[in-house]
Order: sequence, then C-alpha cells, then structure tokens
Amino acid sequence: EVPLVESGGDLVQPGGSLRLSCAASGFPFHVSWMHWIRQAPGKGLVWVSRITSDGSEVSYADFVKGRFTISRDNAKNMVYLQMSRLRVEDTAIYYCAKDYFGSIEYWGQGTPVIVSS
Amino acid sequence: EIVLTQSPGTLSLSPGERATLSCRASQSVSSSSLAWYQQKPGQAPRVLIFAAFNRATGIPDRFSGSGSGTDFTLTISRLEPEDFAVYYCQQYDSSLPMYTFGQGTRLDIK
Repeated sequence: EVPLVESGGDLVQPGGSLRLSCAASGFPFHVSWMHWIRQAPGKGLVWVSRITSDGSEVSYADFVKGRFTISRDNAKNMVYLQMSRLRVEDTAIYYCAKDYFGSIEYWGQGTPVIVSS
Repeated sequence: EIVLTQSPGTLSLSPGERATLSCRASQSVSSSSLAWYQQKPGQAPRVLIFAAFNRATGIPDRFSGSGSGTDFTLTISRLEPEDFAVYYCQQYDSSLPMYTFGQGTRLDIK
C-alpha cells in the first residue's frame, strides 16, 4: 500500500491557480507533520512548505510565500497545496511527504505541474 | 540560511567498489537533522539515513552515514548494481524553520 498519493497536477497558464491534494494512509496521519517538496525537470529537490500535525503552524520557502498555501484535513487524512499566481519557474513534480524528526520518511509518487502559455 | 554543498557532483565507480559521498554545510548543523536520500530515474526519493547515521527501515547495512558539525559523509561499502542513482543530503533548521537539500551527487557505473 502506497502511503501517500498526490493528485491535482495539470497544465496551467502563468498567473493561474491550482490545488494539489495528497491522500495519506497506513500511518498515524493526525500526529504527522507533512511537507510539499518539488523537483523541476532535470534538477534537484527543493522544499516548498510544511504543516504541523494539527495545522497550527505552517512554513514556506521564500519563493512561494504569499502565493502558496498549505493546509490539511485530519478527518480525511488529506493535505493540500493551494497554488496561485503561478510562474513558469514553478513547473516541477510536486511531492507530498511525511516528516520524521526533520527528515522525510515517506514520499508520494509526485504530481506534475506545468506552467506554460 | 544554511547551504549544503555535495561533492563530487558525479562519481563514477564499478560494482564492488566503495563510494564516499560528501555533504558540507555552510554553518554547523545538528547531527539529528541531517538525512540522506537516494533517487533513481523516474522514481521518488527514498530515505537512506536519518539523524546523520541511523539507517532507515529496510536499508542494507552497506550504507552508512557519519560526520558532525559541517561535514557529513555517506559511505556505500560495496556497490551493488542497484546503487547507481542520485544521492541528496538534507538538513532541517528548526530556528527558521527551513529544510534544505544539497544539489545531489550522481553515482554512475564506470
């Protein structure tokens, strides 16, 4: 069983919006910190955002502050990334990931976001 | 902001050889916050080592992590064909908070 499954990636125009979803299973989601991490084509891994277990604290990389919002629904075992004012440079595979004391224990398979006109 | 620099960028070795991958931080980091990942083409990364030297579940003991302060090392004692991949180090700075990855080391078959 795959513990994290992302969805919502799509082709979107610059300036547009998109919401990514991540369904979690097989672990105690409600006590887990969760992340979004991205990887542009042929490039390395870049952390995007993190949310604590109860959603009370969120943090973002500087390049997405004010444009992206992370949230979660513990009743549904879901984490989300609302992305707005998308830029061409936001094109990447977006991974949902589970935190383990500052490292990443589980990764989803990723969902592709393409920002292009 | 802490920057992680991995070296070498590419390492070409043969199966059976020993691989030594370096991760250097721009300032001292807590060993408890340093992790290593492996990524194969078309796949998501997977964790190998967390807290600098603890192997993740299911990771073979040919993988080991070491180091402290600003210098950390991932060692693969005897390379197997399935070990040829890209490796990333990552650290967590709880004061910001911020999570940072190194740029990766590509391990190629020689």
